[in-house]
Order: sequence, then C-alpha cells, then structure tokens
Amino acid sequence: RKEVEQDPGPFNVPEGATVAFNCTYSNSASQSFFWYRQDCRKEPKLLMSVYSSGNEDGRFTAQLNRASQYISLLIRDSKLSDSATYLCVPFSGGYNKLIFGAGTRLAVHP
Amino acid sequence: DTGVSQDPRHKITKRGQNVTFRCDPISEHNRLYWYRQTLGQGPEFLTYFQNEAQLEKSRLLSDRFSAERPKGSFSTLEIQRTEQGDSAMYLCASSPPGQGKAFFGQGTRLTVV
Repeated sequence: RKEVEQDPGPFNVPEGATVAFNCTYSNSASQSFFWYRQDCRKEPKLLMSVYSSGNEDGRFTAQLNRASQYISLLIRDSKLSDSATYLCVPFSGGYNKLIFGAGTRLAVHP
Repeated sequence: DTGVSQDPRHKITKRGQNVTFRCDPISEHNRLYWYRQTLGQGPEFLTYFQNEAQLEKSRLLSDRFSAERPKGSFSTLEIQRTEQGDSAMYLCASSPPGQGKAFFGQGTRLTVV
C-alpha cells in the first residue's frame, strides 16, 4: 500500500461550487498533516496545516479522521484561481521524512 | 530574498554527462530535502539531510545519484552518466527542526538529450 494515496482527478467544477478531496495515509503514527498547492510548472507551496481534528482558513477547510486514516480538503465558493494540484503530506514528526501524495488536480471553469 | 534558492533553473545535457545542482535553504532550517517530479506526478522523495547528516536515500535512487551537504548549509545533488529517464524537475525544500512545513525552491528542470 502506498504511504499516501490521492484521487488524481481532475475535478472539473464551475465557479462557486464546493469541492472536496480525500487523502488516505498508511502510517498510523502520523501526527500532523499538510496540504500543499502546486500550480502548473511551479513549486509546491504550503496551503494548510492540520495538527488536531481539523483547520479552517477562509474558504478552505481541512478535516482529519484518524480512525479511518484520511484527511480531506474542502474548498467552498471555488474561484478560477483555485485551479491547481493539491498535494497531501502526513508527517510523523521527529526525524521522519516528508512523503507527498501524487496530488489531486482541480480545474475550476467559468 | 530569504527563501530557498536553486541553481541552475534549467539544465540541458547530453546523455552520459554528469550534472550537479545546488540548493541554498532558508538559513535557520536544518532539514533539507531533495525531490524529483515528472509531469502529472507528485514530488518523489530522493534524500534528506538533518544538518550535514544524510538521514535517508530513496531505495529507488541508483548509485548514479549522490547528494552532499558538507557544512549543513547548502546542498548539492549530482547525477553521473545521465540518462534520458533522468529528465525531470528536481526540487529542493527546507524545513525547521522536527516540523512538516517545507518551503520549496523553484526547482531545476533537467532535460537529457
């Protein structure tokens, strides 16, 4: 089983829609979780950090389900500028490395 | 600019040649990562350092790849005898101690012809 699994998409949604992505992880020792956003041919940039059950930042909400070992990202009122690939990263802390998922591609259309 | 910087941004090389990339992390970050990314894929872990110590190297990485971080500051990634399959974006990231927040450089795009 892969350490991090994401639906590659693409998710094609109209502006204003609500869209959610899931990310499953295999390491039950993961303590914190991160969502990164990557625009086409650019480097990944940190979008959100999740240390407990969830986090909310404006239109973006991340929720963690430790029992089922998945984390979700919800985007409300989608904008054209939200079109990007969203990468999930669980982290076990200490000397452990960061392993990225393959990413979920979102395309928001007018 | 105090972000992560990578050099060069682009490299075109002939098959069989050696190439070396450099990464300068954010100065207070002691963790440094190298990743490789191809189109449509997420960043693939290559190796990482805690200060000057190389903690892990991906088993997928052949012996042609080597990385160093001699003084715990900048790092270099060398690929010997390049192959066409090495063509990819090579990303460097740094993070503070024990944290999962990583900050990426803009990457070095390698094309092997």
